[in-house]
Amino acid sequence: QKEVEQDPGPLSVPEGAIVSLNCTYSNSAFQYFMWYRQYSRKGPELLMYTYSSGNKEDGRFTAQVDKSSKYISLFIRDSQPSDSATYLCAMSGGTGANNLFFGTGTRLTVIP
Amino acid sequence: EPEVTQTPSHQVTQMGQEVILRCVPISNHLYFYWYRQILGQKVEFLVSFYNNEISEKSEIFDDQFSVERPDGSNFTLKIRSTKLEDSAMYFCASSEVMGPFGQYFGPGTRLTVT
Repeated sequence: QKEVEQDPGPLSVPEGAIVSLNCTYSNSAFQYFMWYRQYSRKGPELLMYTYSSGNKEDGRFTAQVDKSSKYISLFIRDSQPSDSATYLCAMSGGTGANNLFFGTGTRLTVIP
Repeated sequence: EPEVTQTPSHQVTQMGQEVILRCVPISNHLYFYWYRQILGQKVEFLVSFYNNEISEKSEIFDDQFSVERPDGSNFTLKIRSTKLEDSAMYFCASSEVMGPFGQYFGPGTRLTVT
């Protein structure tokens, strides 16, 4: 199933760097877009969500959705070692709007 | 902070055996979900549950799977006759309202079928 594509990484950046994480999708019915963070041996934790297109900012995190390009991004500013985790994009919409379709996750390491 | 809990953390079973994975959702949540993640693959939706009924299910959720809320706190996933390909991490989630937002995930149960 290739509805949601995400570069699995791994991605290593120095502390303080700006991180850009991205997903593409094929289902034009998707309206809800989420980013989850998953630490080792833990379940996914909701970081941010957006509805339809546009930007949303929360502290050091910014989520962007471009529905015309079917492309979503998560930016992390001033990255910290504690940001080291796997980041999963997820989306839903259309029939089965409560079901989340996940990307494979990008493993991020922030090096002190 | 309230959280979703799951037991056991790791379950090993033989092919053909029945397993029950247990979840305790957040207490004021009314909507419950099961997802699974096969090693190295995406998290996949299995089923959503509300008011003692299945709301939605994926094509993965075939007749060998069932869900139940046996009491006021537990939510269970039963796999009737396990296959090797059922080996995965199973996540339970719950939410206060139905929808894609606000789903809180548990830590998962790793199921290994031998």
